[in-house]
Amino acid sequence: AQTVTQSQPEMSVQEAETVTLSCTYDTSENNYYLFWYKQPPSRQMILVIRQEAYKQQNATENRFSVNFQKAAKSFSLKISDSQLGDTAMYFCAFYSNYQLIWGAGTKLIIKP
Amino acid sequence: SQTIHQWPATLVQPVGSPLSLECTVEGTSNPNLYWYRQAAGRGLQLLFYSVGIGQISSEVPQNLSASRPQDRQFILSSKKLLLSDSGFYLCAWSAENYGYTFGSGTRLTVV
Repeated sequence: AQTVTQSQPEMSVQEAETVTLSCTYDTSENNYYLFWYKQPPSRQMILVIRQEAYKQQNATENRFSVNFQKAAKSFSLKISDSQLGDTAMYFCAFYSNYQLIWGAGTKLIIKP
Repeated sequence: SQTIHQWPATLVQPVGSPLSLECTVEGTSNPNLYWYRQAAGRGLQLLFYSVGIGQISSEVPQNLSASRPQDRQFILSSKKLLLSDSGFYLCAWSAENYGYTFGSGTRLTVV
């Protein structure tokens, strides 16, 4: 069975610092997709970044980038120049066969 | 552009009463539709998903049911709510493998 593990229940950093959230997953499939979602206090679920497993190049979206290590089944999220608005729960997710498998989430707090 | 509407935003219902949460999608056709539940401070649990009208797959046995009467409409229902049905419910849609777009959620409190 596919699983997604986020080993950091909570993290906090100072504004403008860089922070990395870890995510590992387990699957026997070769073609899949990986996502990071952000859930602010409003509880709206917002897509941050996506990565296709067949692409070696790491995805980037402005201040957000991933370090995708397919052999190690690792998919970490780096947030550069963190902002107060980045405070949220962050969920890593694995997609295959119409289903999204979720990690337990990491609560990220950006301190002023 | 594609949008997803979910309502109501909050709901307080007595134990044993029926439930109907509705989700509609605009700007796309034949989307995959999903209902998730999120317990406080935890990740999402997939309840149901649908790849087409009338096609519903259930992931966990429960007191809830889902229906898809139209291509872009997905309804979550219960005939008799239990206290354990309280939670935050999210509707989502996806097309191909791009990613999921979520509704704004419904906070259900069963009293």
